[in-house]
Amino acid sequence: AQKVTQAQTEISVVEKEDVTLDCVYETRDTTYYLFWYKQPPSGELVFLIRRNSFDEQNEISGRYSWNFQKSTSSFNFTITASQVVDSAVYFCALLPTGTASKLTFGTGTRLQVTL
Amino acid sequence: ETGVTQSPTHLIKTRGQQVTLRCSSQSGHNTVSWYQQALGQGPQFIFQYYREEENGRGNFPPRFSGLQFPNYSSELNVNALELDDSALYLCASNRDFLLNEQYFGPGTRLTVT
Repeated sequence: AQKVTQAQTEISVVEKEDVTLDCVYETRDTTYYLFWYKQPPSGELVFLIRRNSFDEQNEISGRYSWNFQKSTSSFNFTITASQVVDSAVYFCALLPTGTASKLTFGTGTRLQVTL
Repeated sequence: ETGVTQSPTHLIKTRGQQVTLRCSSQSGHNTVSWYQQALGQGPQFIFQYYREEENGRGNFPPRFSGLQFPNYSSELNVNALELDDSALYLCASNRDFLLNEQYFGPGTRLTVT
């Protein structure tokens, strides 16, 4: 069975602060993908990043960065110099490889960035 | 935008009624998955269709059913609606079994009163 835990239900920061969203996962599969999605109030899931379990290199994309640590089963997401437009619900998700696999999502972290 | 479209955007139904939600997959995609997202929760996998056949199902009762058509568009049908069926229903499409390249539609918000 797969499980994704996002322990932070809601985070509030002031614009320009850095913020880290935590994600811890459980799986017995040796190969899998991890994802982060952003869900603005409109509801559509916006894909942010996909990481293969074989690739533990951290990634940076503009103000976003991701820290994948297989040893602790964590895939944390950091937003540097947060902006009001970053306000949304963020979901971490796990996808084992295999033809009958499915995405398992965490419960999400609501990020509120204020001026 | 991902190229995955869903209709309707919103709808309101009464308990006990039946509802059909529709999804058009992105061009070139032959696999469609449906998810239910209750308020304050993450999306939960309902089922997946690959080339018109159901290919995996989550923990949902049989009153949740689906179809996939030859053009790979899909329908989600829910019979005997219950209040707890109120949720955002998301569909996602991908090519073959490349679920790592799955794209989501904007969702249909269903309210059951």
